[in-house]
Amino acid sequence: NAGVMQNPRHLVRRRGQEARLRCSPMKGHSHVYWYRQLPEEGLKFMVYLQKENIIDESGMPKERFSAEFPKEGPSILRIQQVVRGDSAAYFCASSPRGQGYTGELFFGEGSRLTVL
Amino acid sequence: RKEVEQDPGPFNVPEGATVAFNCTYSNSASQSFFWYRQDCRKEPKLLMSVYSSGNEDGRFTAQLNRASQYISLLIRDSKLSDSATYLCVVPVAGGTSYGKLTFGQGTILTVHP
Repeated sequence: NAGVMQNPRHLVRRRGQEARLRCSPMKGHSHVYWYRQLPEEGLKFMVYLQKENIIDESGMPKERFSAEFPKEGPSILRIQQVVRGDSAAYFCASSPRGQGYTGELFFGEGSRLTVL
Repeated sequence: RKEVEQDPGPFNVPEGATVAFNCTYSNSASQSFFWYRQDCRKEPKLLMSVYSSGNEDGRFTAQLNRASQYISLLIRDSKLSDSATYLCVVPVAGGTSYGKLTFGQGTILTVHP
């Protein structure tokens, strides 16, 4: 499957624990985006990364959330000290180009985080 | 005005019906627009792109009215498999031209036999 791969698909954490969500972009894509979908709400942009660079993190909460896209390996969205309000579906998307690209984003199946 | 606003529905229509969804957007500088489809608990998938006045693909027609900042999606001859949430999507205001998108809340469509 050459599509965007996300894991885990489902993750349960207790309040105060850490959540790590991973995303491998589509083959040939080097631009990764993370979106969050809260229950009954639309998708919200969180962060845009290229390999080893965070390009735009304007949608990331100021505390507890971080993202990276290392030279080797998947992009990781890390949530420290999770709270119940972090329960959501986290979608990763990729594109073949960055600046100037106005085409389709290819989404992974999402990681559903439940905080108990 | 919200950046992207949609009628959430739900729309319940019989097979074979024609149904139209509306979407308004606030960023008058937007040049590209999208309709994505999202099935229950699945990822969004691109349905149509709209770069000029409109686009047609089989049973689906998207129309753009820049003066009114309004996009519509028309589905003709509805099928059971069209049941999904339809997301109106616009690039984020501010001149960015990468995959930073604003998603509407979505319009729920249920097609029944």
